[in-house]
Amino acid sequence: DTAVSQTPKYLVTQMGNDKSIKCEQNLGHDTMYWYKQDSKKFLKIMFSYNNKELIINETVPNRFSPKSPDKAHLNLHINSLELGDSAVYFCASSLWAAYNEQFFGPGTRLTVL
Amino acid sequence: RKEVEQDPGPFNVPEGATVAFNCTYSNSASQSFFWYRQDCRKEPKLLMSVYSSGNEDGRFTAQLNRASQYISLLIRDSKLSDSATYLCVVNIDYNQGGKLIFGQGTELSVKP
Repeated sequence: DTAVSQTPKYLVTQMGNDKSIKCEQNLGHDTMYWYKQDSKKFLKIMFSYNNKELIINETVPNRFSPKSPDKAHLNLHINSLELGDSAVYFCASSLWAAYNEQFFGPGTRLTVL
Repeated sequence: RKEVEQDPGPFNVPEGATVAFNCTYSNSASQSFFWYRQDCRKEPKLLMSVYSSGNEDGRFTAQLNRASQYISLLIRDSKLSDSATYLCVVNIDYNQGGKLIFGQGTELSVKP
């Protein structure tokens, strides 16, 4: 009964490829997020969706395209992968409000060769 | 200047020690504050929220000083299982719900 799940856990691919990461939550939350954690361990928000509506869209290359088919799912598609995209990508979910705890998935470790 | 700054450590302490972590944030409009814990190669998990009056959860005490834009975490009687990275987190945009800004994290290693 995993709360926030992501697939795949590891992704190794070549530069220029297109890849997707999937995220699902079974907590009944209405808000989902994508974060990137780089090699220096900084965790930075990329996107957030509330009830399938894009709320936060940080300065992220437009090669990254999130998609929320429903409140329980938030996928991330990345086109034309670059070396600098190598990082751990975390999905998270919460109830809408600044003070609510965010629950994170286990992360997807992306390596671009 | 980073929006949330922490001493990255590592802090190496013996079991039973008391250790304190500090954090400063730059945006005076920050509305809510948290400490998250991240174990090696795992996801972050909420350790505790931080309230203006200060709050305690067992061996953990968190303090917030809005005037100084300073947050602290005190861990008493350290356990081996406390070894992890502690992330100071603020929410800077209340109207957008949960937009969290993370510090770099402070690494703690508790030794026998």
